[in-house]
Amino acid sequence: DTGVSQDPRHKITKRGQNVTFRCDPISEHNRLYWYRQTLGQGPEFLTYFQNEAQLEKSRLLSDRFSAERPKGSFSTLEIQRTEQGDSAMYLCASSSTFGQGVTGELFFGEGSRLTVL
Amino acid sequence: AQKVTQAQTEISVVEKEDVTLDCVYETRDTTYYLFWYKQPPSGELVFLIRRNSFDEQNEISGRYSWNFQKSTSSFNFTITASQVVDSAVYFCALSGEQGAQKLVFGQGTRLTINP
Repeated sequence: DTGVSQDPRHKITKRGQNVTFRCDPISEHNRLYWYRQTLGQGPEFLTYFQNEAQLEKSRLLSDRFSAERPKGSFSTLEIQRTEQGDSAMYLCASSSTFGQGVTGELFFGEGSRLTVL
Repeated sequence: AQKVTQAQTEISVVEKEDVTLDCVYETRDTTYYLFWYKQPPSGELVFLIRRNSFDEQNEISGRYSWNFQKSTSSFNFTITASQVVDSAVYFCALSGEQGAQKLVFGQGTRLTINP
């Protein structure tokens, strides 16, 4: 078990460009989450998937953001027409609804840091 | 709405001192879950503990202990005999009846343990 991995770890882009982040969850986990963390703040929930179904999206997730988990394994988070306010750490986490149940812990990746110039 | 408040932005202590990190929460749910996570400089959030609203028993794990008091809506975290490796940002978090898919985090407390 290699844990949750995220790619890229760092991304610097110019305002208006599109960026995509990838998350590979722990293989047996059926739930996958995206959070955003800005400097000095706690993570904020963006969206989550159970298998390939996106079950909830936060109001923080504007129309420029789209997340997919096409085969119920890895997930991508795309930000279109990036703005400076999108600069943040994007965290992915996974969990299982089996065993520990839905109250089980989330396993987080190390995050993808986005800087929009 | 759910809310978690960690009033201590930064704490700095000398190694071997005991330190308590405060967490106060707000929720209207009767069933809820409280968490503590540690975020070292690498950025990865590390799970420390989960407690459900029906279990007010305090818990001790090595040098770590947690004090859950529903009467004051608090879930405080104490590190005994702190070590330099404990330096990190610590987050308290809350989830509602639907479980852990939507954690509400506090702003975090940056803990620095000086040698």
